[in-house]
Amino acid sequence: ETGVTQTPRHLVMGMTNKKSLKCEQHLGHNAMYWYKQSAKKPLELMFVYNFKEQTENNSVPSRFSPECPNSSHLFLHLHTLQPEDSALYLCASSQHTSPSTDTQYFGPGTRLTVL
Amino acid sequence: SQKIEQNSEALNIQEGKTATLTCNYTNYSPAYLQWYRQDPGRGPVFLLLIRENEKEKRKERLKVTFDTTLKQSLFHITASQPADSATYLCALGGGSSNTGKLIFGQGTTLQVKP
Repeated sequence: ETGVTQTPRHLVMGMTNKKSLKCEQHLGHNAMYWYKQSAKKPLELMFVYNFKEQTENNSVPSRFSPECPNSSHLFLHLHTLQPEDSALYLCASSQHTSPSTDTQYFGPGTRLTVL
Repeated sequence: SQKIEQNSEALNIQEGKTATLTCNYTNYSPAYLQWYRQDPGRGPVFLLLIRENEKEKRKERLKVTFDTTLKQSLFHITASQPADSATYLCALGGGSSNTGKLIFGQGTTLQVKP
């Protein structure tokens, strides 16, 4: 589990707040991902970064803004969120994003509650 | 659109029995299928990967099958233990209609009772 770390582990914020989630991977991988996991729903892919370049934005609202300064770090900036955005936000990394047999390594997640 | 269904939300079995979890998919021909384990409050952990040209894959007490005709994967845990209690996710990827990202099922929560 120390391969991919996420901070904070828990976050409570109001709808007018601005906060950021941080992810760091120590595996030397080239691709990083943000997923949203809501209760009783499948993991929803939000963003994909490959070699620091965003390669996928899965129709995510603009109140979520990703940033990838290098291959090891990934941020998710949050602003003016809605209560329905409350969920577990998971970061993952993989060696590549090619359609091959890439295994994804997940962090422990940030449990976000929007009041 | 691509759809993945895992057999049930929850599965309860007795310790020592074999647990069998099902993953069905439609409108998709994946090149590979992965199974992950997720414990409460944690991220998913990779367990096994099986390719479309493989019928079966084993790892210790785990066995995965992949039937591309039925569009189904079965995940077996033999001699189950209470420590196997968790949510198990199947994920599909690759294939001609996929950009390389993994598509996850909603998961099946397994409870192994002593």
